[in-house]
Amino acid sequence: AQKITQTQPGMFVQEKEAVTLDCTYDTSDQSYGLFWYKQPSSGEMIFLIYQGSYDEQNATEGRYSLNFQKARKSANLVISASQLGDSAMYFCAMRERKDYKLSFGAGTTVTVRA
Amino acid sequence: DSGVTQTPKHLITATGQRVTLRCSPRSGDLSVYWYQQSLDQGLQFLIQYYNGEERAKGNILERFSAQQFPDLHSELNLSSLELGDSALYFCASSGAGETQYFGPGTRLLVL
Repeated sequence: AQKITQTQPGMFVQEKEAVTLDCTYDTSDQSYGLFWYKQPSSGEMIFLIYQGSYDEQNATEGRYSLNFQKARKSANLVISASQLGDSAMYFCAMRERKDYKLSFGAGTTVTVRA
Repeated sequence: DSGVTQTPKHLITATGQRVTLRCSPRSGDLSVYWYQQSLDQGLQFLIQYYNGEERAKGNILERFSAQQFPDLHSELNLSSLELGDSALYFCASSGAGETQYFGPGTRLLVL
């Protein structure tokens, strides 16, 4: 069964606007971590933000924030004030406490227009 | 720069051959993970080592093997290569925290 679902294969956003990338997850664990990574066209995987399942506050890192809705099992990434350099593929991932690996979604491609 | 290094960046080889991918984790990180990214399978976990010992195994083929050395660098060996093994291979490392930091990847092309 798919553990991470990213339903938006591609999105366009205007420079300086905000964009929300959807991510839903499936787990029966109470303890887990959620991650977002960015993969530019050059190929590297860049860690953006982390949210623990017991964290009460939504995580924020600069222009990135994670909208964590535990009951709905969603962990959407919000990028504020989009920049041209934000054009990339974005992956949502989960690590369940019983596991060591990251399970990744299929990714969402974001294209920022000037 | 994540602090994780991988060599080589690119590798072109022929079917049936064997290659070795190398990874050096971030300073102080004891855990090393290997992932494969392909167009049809997406990002898949292969294997994890912790301080020299295998800790978890994912969808790793029998033709593939890995090890972590006393200096904590890791190698992923791919043998009897097939066209379908062409992919981007990532190494990641983690320390005491949850976050896995990825290296730049090795892009393997099997012809």
